[in-house]
Formats: sequence, structure tokens, C-alpha cells
Amino acid sequence: DTAVSQTPKYLVTQMGNDKSIKCEQNLGHDTMYWYKQDSKKFLKIMFSYNNKELIINETVPNRFSPKSPDKAHLNLHINSLELGDSAVYFCASTTQISGNTIYFGEGSWLTVV
Amino acid sequence: KNQVEQSPQSLIILEGKNCTLQCNYTVSPFSNLRWYKQDTGRGPVSLTIMTFSENTKSNGRYTATLDADTKQSSLHITASQLSDSASYICVVPRTGANNLFFGTGTRLTVIP
Repeated sequence: DTAVSQTPKYLVTQMGNDKSIKCEQNLGHDTMYWYKQDSKKFLKIMFSYNNKELIINETVPNRFSPKSPDKAHLNLHINSLELGDSAVYFCASTTQISGNTIYFGEGSWLTVV
Repeated sequence: KNQVEQSPQSLIILEGKNCTLQCNYTVSPFSNLRWYKQDTGRGPVSLTIMTFSENTKSNGRYTATLDADTKQSSLHITASQLSDSASYICVVPRTGANNLFFGTGTRLTVIP
């Protein structure tokens, strides 16, 4: 009964590869996010989608491309991976009805070698 | 410049003891402040949300306080347990939930 689920949980890949992380929420929320947590444990928003539309696109390289096929899914595709992309990526969701509580996924550990 | 600062950066306490974590923010306009708990290897989980008009809110052994005048919040943990070992993150949205500012967290370790 995982509310926000991400796959894969762990991903080790070589520089230059293209990879995707998938996210699904079964909470009926209308807003989804991608966050990046760096080695210093600082969480930083990357993208925010509301009803499948991009709301926030923080300063991230255009190698990162989010895709929201429907309200329940927000996938993150990364092209030409670089060493600095190694981090934990968290998907999250919320809705006004939940009092703006944000529910996070368990994270996807990306290591670029 | 980070608009949410937390202290201490890390803390080690004995099981059963109390502790207080601090959060100072400069985010404006202010609507609410949230405390999240992040266990190692897991995603953050909401502990409490405090609005402008709330001074104190409790969630079990966790009690959060908010002083909107001084822009400070604290999270007090009573009778700590080993399972309280985690990072505690203070989060302040600017306007709505689409623009959040995260503190870097306080890493709490409870030892037997």
C-alpha cells in the first residue's frame, strides 16, 4: 500500500548513459515533485507538476527531463549522466485537501561511475 | 543564501533523555512551517505542520513550537527512543506548497 513509490531504488550506471526513474502515487494527489538530495543531505526541488502541467522548473541542466503521462505518474529522465548527478532523488506528492502535507517516496539512489 | 537554518547540525543523546532542535527562517511571506523526520535510507515523513497562528503543536513525544515574530521554531523530543535516530528537517513554503525551502537538517543519534 505504498503511497508514493519510486523505481529503481538503487541505480549504478556509467557516465554518458541515459537513465529514467519512475514515480507513481496512489493518493489521488494533483501535485507531484522531484527533489534531489545531495551528499550534504540538502533537499532541493527540481520540478513541480500540477495536474500534469509543469509549474516549477528550477535551475537544473536540460539533461533532466520530467514527464507526467497522468496525474498519478511523474517520471524523471536523465540524459548523458555525469558524475555530479550522483545523489538521491525523491519523488513527492501533495494536494490542497491534505493540508499541503507532502508525501515522499523512499528515494532512488543514483551513482554515476 | 539558505532561508532556513537549523541547529545543531548533529546531536547525540542517551536514550530516555530529552532534546530540542532549532530552526530559524527568513522566508517571506510566511504561511506555515513543517517538521519532517527522515530515517536513514528512507524518504522524509511529515511530523507536524504549524500555521502562523499556532504557537505549540504536539504529536506524541514530539512538540513543535513557533514564534512568528522572531521567525524561530523548535522541535522538542521527550523521553527519546532509539528509533528517534534520524535527520529532522525544517521546511518552510513561501507561497503554497509549490515553493519550499528546506533546512539542511539536524542529525539526531540516540544511544543506549
